[in-house]
Amino acid sequence: AQSVTQLDSHVSVSEGTPVLLRCNYSSSYSPSLFWYVQHPNKGLQLLLKYTSAATLVKGINGFEAEFKKSETSFHLTKPSAHMSDAAEYFCVVTYSGNTPLVFGKGTRLSVIA
Amino acid sequence: KAGVTQTPRYLIKTRGQQVTLSCSPISGHRSVSWYQQTPGQGLQFLFEYFSETQRNKGNFPGRFSGRQFSNSRSEMNVSTLELGDSALYLCASSLVGLDQETQYFGPGTRLLVL
Repeated sequence: AQSVTQLDSHVSVSEGTPVLLRCNYSSSYSPSLFWYVQHPNKGLQLLLKYTSAATLVKGINGFEAEFKKSETSFHLTKPSAHMSDAAEYFCVVTYSGNTPLVFGKGTRLSVIA
Repeated sequence: KAGVTQTPRYLIKTRGQQVTLSCSPISGHRSVSWYQQTPGQGLQFLFEYFSETQRNKGNFPGRFSGRQFSNSRSEMNVSTLELGDSALYLCASSLVGLDQETQYFGPGTRLLVL
């Protein structure tokens, strides 16, 4: 069964320091991978997606992620955290065809001033 | 272009009642998916509609149903509500629902069952 594991339920960083949110996926076929962000009481917003093109994917708000097939990982990074980055982040996987999205449990990012 | 809209935004019901939630996709999008979000189970896929046909279904009881209209708007219905149905229900739309497409999410309907 398809699955995605977010290795940390909560990450806390200081403003201006790097962010690393970790994600591993189960690998049977070539996946499409996404990172979504959810701010309190809001819907989900796409940060970035990997669809078998470049392995380093750049997204909005300075976020990027690297697809590493050998490690089945798709970690999300940002060089310098901003207070507005505080939110819940979801790593999401889907496979070829029109299979539904499979969500990780989410990582809550806190940014300390 | 207007985003995905969901109505109502908040809803309070009592056990045993039924509820209908509505979702209007982005103009031109023909695939609509529904997800349930709870603190315990996270985000779980309910079902997906494309061209008025249910194309995928998640692992939820038959009390959860949906439909899609010719204008791609979708509704989901939950009958005989249980306390555990309290959740944020999210709707997402995409052009045709293929794996590489971005799904655009609405703000959700927060359902509280008392």
